[in-house]
Amino acid sequence: EPEVTQTPSHQVTQMGQEVILRCVPISNHLYFYWYRQILGQKVEFLVSFYNNEISEKSEIFDDQFSVERPDGSNFTLKIRSTKLEDSAMYFCASTGGRTYEQYFGPGTRLTVT
Amino acid sequence: DQQVKQNSPSLSVQEGRISILNCDYTNSMFDYFLWYKKYPAEGPTFLISISSIKDKNEDGRFTVFLNKSAKHLSLHIVPSQPGDSAVYFCAAPVTGGGNKLTFGTGTQLKVEL
Repeated sequence: EPEVTQTPSHQVTQMGQEVILRCVPISNHLYFYWYRQILGQKVEFLVSFYNNEISEKSEIFDDQFSVERPDGSNFTLKIRSTKLEDSAMYFCASTGGRTYEQYFGPGTRLTVT
Repeated sequence: DQQVKQNSPSLSVQEGRISILNCDYTNSMFDYFLWYKKYPAEGPTFLISISSIKDKNEDGRFTVFLNKSAKHLSLHIVPSQPGDSAVYFCAAPVTGGGNKLTFGTGTQLKVEL
């Protein structure tokens, strides 16, 4: 069964450093998302991406964040200058667009020290 | 922004009995709802969904009930199994833009032997 994959599973970085989180969505899906979950809190939306552009972004998704689909398979989230409060699980999701069901990857745990 | 609420952070049931997880919403524009299950260190896994034109949807041991007038939905699991122990999130797509999902805070279900 096709699945969303994410790498790395765990990333430790120092405050102020840039990180890139990678995702491979399900191959025939058209809509891509990033969510995050800070420990003990709910899963919250960051950004959605369709047709090679951002379709919606949350207040969290400020100028420090960017997304890219550099080729036909990868979908990346870049945080330019990480802060302590960026420490969270980051989930990538995708959907074909015919239904509302989004399929999530296993997540990347980002730890900013 | 608490458009989807899960007021019970935890629930404990015995194996073989029914588990009932509840969810309330405030946005009357929501017309579709989803339940996700999440194990530790994994991403949310889609479980079952319901459209607002229905009041019940069943899939094996899982049934979701929707009461639009009360803005309430519930997930019934019967019979409950130890492998059902996980965090359960209800979610609703916010239509328009990228159809982002807004999640509840989750309910930790523990099924005891």
